[in-house]
Amino acid sequence: DQQVKQNSPSLSVQEGRISILNCDYTNSMFDYFLWYKKYPAEGPTFLISISSIKDKNEDGRFTVFLNKSAKHLSLHIVPSQPGDSAVYFCAASATNTGNQFYFGTGTSLTVIP
Amino acid sequence: GAGVSQSPSNKVTEKGKDVELRCDPISGHTALYWYRQSLGQGLEFLIYFQGNSAPDKSGLPSDRFSAERTGGSVSTLTIQRTQQEDSAVYLCASSLAGWEQFFGPGTRLTVL
Repeated sequence: DQQVKQNSPSLSVQEGRISILNCDYTNSMFDYFLWYKKYPAEGPTFLISISSIKDKNEDGRFTVFLNKSAKHLSLHIVPSQPGDSAVYFCAASATNTGNQFYFGTGTSLTVIP
Repeated sequence: GAGVSQSPSNKVTEKGKDVELRCDPISGHTALYWYRQSLGQGLEFLIYFQGNSAPDKSGLPSDRFSAERTGGSVSTLTIQRTQQEDSAVYLCASSLAGWEQFFGPGTRLTVL
């Protein structure tokens, strides 16, 4: 039972444009969300997070939006750069029920120069 | 090396053999996680260690899987009597009491 879903396995975007990666979740107890970036043959690296008390968190070119009523979050990258080409994983946790994180299946982003 | 390290980076084994995968977390990190990623799948939680507390083993797929964390540092994931469906990348992550997990590069396990 996939509690965190990334329905787009891949995304291609022109350099300089906006990349929008989407993530949906089913468990209303989730209150902490993270995005990880993964290059081939490397482990995932933390990118940005958001707590359920917020609906937006921004860090440089990266912004995460959270819509709790829709159980949906998205990662915006603007402007997109070729170095952003990687697999992006969304993860969620219910902080009051332990520290288990649930990951999506990932979206492979290709930024075309 | 300040990051999480895992060994071996690649492991090929025959069905029915036992394997041990090692994880060296970042020094001082109290939490350690094991995940696996099968082809085309997301990261599947396996087990979580936090300090001296009993580990959360709720993600282990069968009793062939076990893990230990000795001295609150190095962890070993053991898979007994490996099956072909165990083939995956096994990832280890560590963290402080906060939420950001630092991942190792993973061990790619192939069971023939």
